[in-house]
Amino acid sequence: KAGVTQTPRYLIKTRGQQVTLSCSPISGHRSVSWYQQTPGQGLQFLFEYFSETQRNKGNFPGRFSGRQFSNSRSEMNVSTLELGDSALYLCASSPLIGGAGEQYFGPGTRLTVT
Amino acid sequence: GESVGLHLPTLSVQEGDNSIINCAYSNSASDYFIWYKQESGKGPQFIIDIRSNMDKRQGQRVTVLLNKTVKHLSLQIAATQPGDSAVYFCAESEGTSYDKVIFGPGTSLSVIP
Repeated sequence: KAGVTQTPRYLIKTRGQQVTLSCSPISGHRSVSWYQQTPGQGLQFLFEYFSETQRNKGNFPGRFSGRQFSNSRSEMNVSTLELGDSALYLCASSPLIGGAGEQYFGPGTRLTVT
Repeated sequence: GESVGLHLPTLSVQEGDNSIINCAYSNSASDYFIWYKQESGKGPQFIIDIRSNMDKRQGQRVTVLLNKTVKHLSLQIAATQPGDSAVYFCAESEGTSYDKVIFGPGTSLSVIP
């Protein structure tokens, strides 16, 4: 099976702009979760989607949002970008709801906000 | 607040030696622990997990030890190979729900040929 794919791999935006990142899960996986990874905070959970419904949300402001489509592909959006949003955004898919340990991560999208 | 931390941020080992990566956790209610490996340019990869009702679990060349008395977790890699060079994260959780998982900062393992 093909792994989790994320597009784009690299992105540069300026403060105040918005950005949309895309994730295609492993075929057959219906759970998609998103994480932010920074040197200072490490890996932090953003949200999880299962069957087009947000199941869980981490402690991030409302500027961070996401959605999942009927084919399980997911997008996350960050509005009004801030310098602190510069990070590696990782998507992970799982065949299980809340299946920590059964997740398969994509390579991430490196977002730089200038 | 609760946190997961690693004792050593970097670790260098000779190829063929065994590696031990340590992790301290502070939430006594955590009942599920995971180790991940993250190679440069890639996302984290699940290595092994262990539940709080176990003290030890073995995988292929890896062993995880859990000491609940001192809230300590370790990952042992046998016969370390150059391909083992990566950042290793521990994570703790109450259950397996993603919003309950707390990741440690990571230890960078370098294997010297």
